[in-house]
Amino acid sequence: SYELTQPPSVSVSPGQTARISCSGDALPKKYAYWYQQKSGQAPVLVIYDDSERPSGIPERFSGSSSGTKATLTISGAQVEDEADYYCYSTDNSGNHRVFGGGTKLTVL
Amino acid sequence: EVQLVESGGDLVQPGRSLRLSCAASGFSFDEYVMHWVRQAPGKGLEWVSGISWNSSTTAYADSVEGRFTISRDNDKNSLYLQMNSLRAEDTAFYYCAKVWDRGGSWDGFDSWGQGTLVTVSP
Repeated sequence: SYELTQPPSVSVSPGQTARISCSGDALPKKYAYWYQQKSGQAPVLVIYDDSERPSGIPERFSGSSSGTKATLTISGAQVEDEADYYCYSTDNSGNHRVFGGGTKLTVL
Repeated sequence: EVQLVESGGDLVQPGRSLRLSCAASGFSFDEYVMHWVRQAPGKGLEWVSGISWNSSTTAYADSVEGRFTISRDNDKNSLYLQMNSLRAEDTAFYYCAKVWDRGGSWDGFDSWGQGTLVTVSP
């Protein structure tokens, strides 16, 4: 089965840049999506189609993808950005949709 | 305002069945692909199933294929998940989610419900 691999945790100080990676064999051909989930809340889409930002998402959130790795970047991370972040994509056939294991971002 | 409200979660015994519902409002429900995503307590997200706007195409995760059936009623603005032969590992919060693009995209869930809890236990 298809897998997306994320680091379990990332830690930065407020104002620093946080980068969360997501690796998958199909990412050269398939879009990556990123979700933010704060404790006790439903997930929120923060990046779609590799690098597009939905309306209402702060500009400090950006996405990129190169080869088999997609990256979520939070420029000038704030305390309120502390959350679990999940990448999502599909395999080359498009039949298997998967989330990465999630990355806990700590900002302190 | 988009609203998705799940219902139907319950405590059920292994092997039994359960039907989840998701009531949608605030958007043209019949123009969007819809999905179910689940999350076991304290664990990560797992995509479960998706359905096209006109029900012509459905897709399932390997873990539920053959046991779960997704459906929708566009007249009632409702999404459903029929879950049969439930197992302990199906215990999770179940979220319904709407895709961001009415143009037929299957991915990118821009609206989520608050989830309904399914517990499978003797």
